[in-house]
Amino acid sequence: AIQLTQSPSSLSASVGDRVTITCRASQGISSALAWYQQKPGKAPKLLIYDASSLESGVPSRFSGSGSGTDFTLTISSLQPEDFATYYCQQFNSYPQGLTFGGGTKVEIK
Amino acid sequence: EVQLVESGGGLVQPGGSLRLSCAASGFTFSSYEMNWVRQAPGKGLEWVSYISSSGSTIYYADSVKGRFTISRDNAKNSLYLQMNSLRAEDTAVYYCASRLRWLRLPLGAFDIWGQGTMVTVSS
Repeated sequence: AIQLTQSPSSLSASVGDRVTITCRASQGISSALAWYQQKPGKAPKLLIYDASSLESGVPSRFSGSGSGTDFTLTISSLQPEDFATYYCQQFNSYPQGLTFGGGTKVEIK
Repeated sequence: EVQLVESGGGLVQPGGSLRLSCAASGFTFSSYEMNWVRQAPGKGLEWVSYISSSGSTIYYADSVKGRFTISRDNAKNSLYLQMNSLRAEDTAVYYCASRLRWLRLPLGAFDIWGQGTMVTVSS
């Protein structure tokens, strides 16, 4: 099964900071990667799909890049509502399976 | 309004059974594949199972294979997860999820999720 490793597992940042989260796949997955945001007690929300395509309604300060095994989610200017946990997800082998990264918690400094 | 609403969670003893439901509304349920995804307390997300729109194709994560059964009733706009031989490690919030905007999104990207139902396996 394809494993996804996210780093860091947590980070502290201030409003206005540029934040970068990385996701590494255990084998190449082309661009079959999505990013989700999850707030406490809520379901995940899709932000990015196909590694770099912005989901409808998601602010343009979110962006994704990468292909193959290395991927990045960037928040260009962190806003108060962005404090949450972020997960990458690969769907290269879907529907036989799909996996999520371990998550990155973005906290207020 | 497009929504998914899970129900059926609760406290069950190890070795016991539970049946989760996911009620869909606001869209043509029978046209969409569905999934169950779970999240243990304080942990990350884990995909559990997939079912095609017709119900003819089904997949499971290795961790639940042989114990869980996914099914759907398109006439009732409902998705189910029958969970047997439950273990402590099955304790989690269970979400149903799908891809509604199929013209735009790739297979496996989920743009609609329910609010989740909590399953606790404990004696």
